[in-house]
Amino acid sequence: RKEVEQDPGPFNVPEGATVAFNCTYSNSASQSFFWYRQDCRKEPKLLMSVYSSGNEDGRFTAQLNRASQYISLLIRDSKLSDSATYLCVASGSAQGAQKLVFGQGTRLTINP
Amino acid sequence: DTGVSQNPRHKITKRGQNVTFRCDPISEHNRLYWYRQTLGQGPEFLTYFQNEAQLEKSRLLSDRFSAERPKGSFSTLEIQRTEQGDSAMYLCASSLALPFGGYTQYFGPGTRLTVL
Repeated sequence: RKEVEQDPGPFNVPEGATVAFNCTYSNSASQSFFWYRQDCRKEPKLLMSVYSSGNEDGRFTAQLNRASQYISLLIRDSKLSDSATYLCVASGSAQGAQKLVFGQGTRLTINP
Repeated sequence: DTGVSQNPRHKITKRGQNVTFRCDPISEHNRLYWYRQTLGQGPEFLTYFQNEAQLEKSRLLSDRFSAERPKGSFSTLEIQRTEQGDSAMYLCASSLALPFGGYTQYFGPGTRLTVL
């Protein structure tokens, strides 16, 4: 079993739709969590950190449920430019200073 | 452009050959990480350095792999006697680890290795 698991998709949604991704992690010692975005043949880039209290950045909302070991990402009013692979990430360090453990990634395509 | 650079960007080699990749992190960053990514998968951790000290190595890093960061700045990753299974994207990331935070890992563009 992988330490971080996500549905690989692909998700194909129309522009303007709301889309939600989920992932689960198995290491209960994980302390910090992130969503990274990766465009085709590019490097991963940090989209946002994830906190238990939930956090929002524009159209993006991330949520962490430590009891269920579950992380979510919600994208509202999706844009064509949101098409990418979204990587769920856990880290054993409270400050994420140690290794990042990535999920397989969820591929999203926004259709016009 | 995150400021992390990697060279070469692409490397094609024959099985059994040795290859070396270089990573130049963001200049003030004290931590440097190597990851490997195969098609359809997320990156997998290989090793990381704090300054020149190698603090952790993954079980993925067989004895054919060696990484160095001799002066705490750039790093090299060498693969000896390459195998077809080594074909992957090798990603380098750097971060500034401080007591109070500042830990975001910024990734370089990667080196894509193809072993024939």
